[in-house]
Amino acid sequence: DGGITQSPKYLFRKEGQNVTLSCEQNLNHDAMYWYRQDPGQGLRLIYYSQIVNDFQKGDIAEGYSVSREKKESFPLTVTSAQKNPTAFYLCASSHPKGRVVLGQPQHFGDGTRLSIL
Amino acid sequence: AQTVTQSQPEMSVQEAETVTLSCTYDTSESDYYLFWYKQPPSRQMILVIRQEAYKQQNATENRFSVNFQKAAKSFSLKISDSQLGDAAMYFCAYRSARSNRDDKIIFGKGTRLHILP
Repeated sequence: DGGITQSPKYLFRKEGQNVTLSCEQNLNHDAMYWYRQDPGQGLRLIYYSQIVNDFQKGDIAEGYSVSREKKESFPLTVTSAQKNPTAFYLCASSHPKGRVVLGQPQHFGDGTRLSIL
Repeated sequence: AQTVTQSQPEMSVQEAETVTLSCTYDTSESDYYLFWYKQPPSRQMILVIRQEAYKQQNATENRFSVNFQKAAKSFSLKISDSQLGDAAMYFCAYRSARSNRDDKIIFGKGTRLHILP
């Protein structure tokens, strides 16, 4: 079955440490996204990528970095510069606008919960 | 810039009754897509229903229907015959249909729906 896999499900970060959240999709989607969700809050966009080797900052990119070396993979690194990393992180993918079916909604992974030790 | 507003942080409904969740949005575009997503306690994001702005007919999916008022920029979700499994956070989302590099889906802050037995 096609889908999005996020790992790990739970992650703990020590002070001053960088951690990387994995996101892999086998839906053949060109576009991928990272969102942050704080308790009781909506989704805030961190980074997104529409094609390989290209990505754009979202609304809260500071303290995060991404790469898009392969179509299937869009890992997110939470750097030590992100002072309040505790949150639930969701990865999503979709066909980009202008391709196939506009309005194709995003498919989401099951999320990674990141906490500080 | 487009915005999505959900003015009801929380709502409650008796089981088997009908409830309507509100969503308004702001855009200068005429062609776009609107979505309602459900996020149950498992934190998975599940697409409930979508509406294409150029279609006047309101979308319906079983017990879920929308009231799309384009001129008023309103996109409410009606849940009929509410069931305990409908308890979740509901997010309204907007996506432009314009094909350009800035491809983002914009989410509201969500409405938490409680179902009373």
